[in-house]
Amino acid sequence: EVQLQESGPGLVKPSQSLSLTCSVTGYSITSNYWGWIRKFPGNKVEWMGYISYSGSTSSNPSLKSRISITRDTSKNQFFLQLNSVTTADTATYYCARYGNYITSNYFDYWGQGVMVTVSS
Amino acid sequence: DIQMTQSPASLSASLEEIVTITCQASQDIGNWLAWYQQKPGKSPQLLIYGATSLADGVPSRFIGSRSGTQYSLKISRLQVEDPGIYYCLQASSAPWTFGGGTKLELK
Repeated sequence: EVQLQESGPGLVKPSQSLSLTCSVTGYSITSNYWGWIRKFPGNKVEWMGYISYSGSTSSNPSLKSRISITRDTSKNQFFLQLNSVTTADTATYYCARYGNYITSNYFDYWGQGVMVTVSS
Repeated sequence: DIQMTQSPASLSASLEEIVTITCQASQDIGNWLAWYQQKPGKSPQLLIYGATSLADGVPSRFIGSRSGTQYSLKISRLQVEDPGIYYCLQASSAPWTFGGGTKLELK
């Protein structure tokens, strides 16, 4: 069974970097695309970006140059780094898998999410 | 970016009632639309993809439809396990964008 699990600090200071890890079991990250999504207090949801099976990436222009998505295939993990965070980055962060074939544009497996608060 | 306007923002309905949630896309997205259900403390679950196709394991009371750039999710007979927050997602072009969510409660 495909499982994803986010991990990382729950509290980050303003202007610092937020770093999260998504550990995947039951499926190789060298297949499919893998994404990061966040949900803000108040329920707004934002797609942040993805990393592909080959390692190519794409990100939401709203995040400008603050975001980086990388991976470690030997550990079957992929990572999110968001720089220069502000309180507006307080959210629950999810990693997710893009599906196969006819569901390849959609997220079919999600992690449980990790709540990150940006506060001094 | 493609904007997805979802309505209503909240909804209260009785068991066995028919419930409809809609999303209006700001431009043509074809059938590149999904619906998700999120229960408290859980991650979103894919219900519908391709605007009308039922995801694996999802009960047939969830029905997706499309009329032009308006998309609807109908729950044909509301069950006790259906309350939660429902989101639409457009997957036509990056950046992927979500609707604002509909909080569904049991009356």
